[in-house]
Amino acid sequence: GAVVSQHPSWVICKSGTSVKIECRSLDFQATTMFWYRQFPKQSLMLMATSNEGSKATYEQGVEKDKFLINHASLTLSTLTVTSAHPEDSSFYICSASPRAGALNEQFFGPGTRLTVL
Amino acid sequence: GNSVTQMEGPVTLSEEAFLTINCTYTATGYPSLFWYVQYPGEGLQLLLKATKADDKGSNKGFEATYRKETTSFHLEKGSVQVSDSAVYFCALLRYSGNTPLVFGKGTRLSVIA
Repeated sequence: GAVVSQHPSWVICKSGTSVKIECRSLDFQATTMFWYRQFPKQSLMLMATSNEGSKATYEQGVEKDKFLINHASLTLSTLTVTSAHPEDSSFYICSASPRAGALNEQFFGPGTRLTVL
Repeated sequence: GNSVTQMEGPVTLSEEAFLTINCTYTATGYPSLFWYVQYPGEGLQLLLKATKADDKGSNKGFEATYRKETTSFHLEKGSVQVSDSAVYFCALLRYSGNTPLVFGKGTRLSVIA
């Protein structure tokens, strides 16, 4: 089946530093990848939609200068949290959609837990 | 717009009890419907899905039937186990795979021995 990986699975950083999270589709090509954020005991909140080779589309209220998304290839998208602060601590999840779209669903990565001290 | 409403949790059941988690949706046209499960400390996993009216999705003893007339996709399991303790998310997808999923708020299930 389709597999999506994320790296790292968890990261702890100091306030003010930047953190990069990678999302890879391992056995299929993903035209589109999505980035979600999940706060404790709450649902996933879509942050942005990332299309290969073009700029990401951000949801309302998500700062594009703070959450930099790059989708340079059909198998890799990265989310960089710039100048991280404690309120950025969260569980970040990506999902990927196959190029053909025929499966009509998305495949999720296992998530990255970010803790900002 | 498209939306998903789930019953609020948490839900606490004894082992072997019957489980129902209600889910209703609002969407134009004919969305695909999904249940995802999130075990503690892990990412979401697809549990089951249905792509058209009257379809029944099933997996690991869980079932859900796509009811267009009631716009519902309730999750059921006849006999829950402690290992079923997790958060369950109902979701819909309106168009092709290149559009975001719309999630419900999730229902936390705790099964006690």
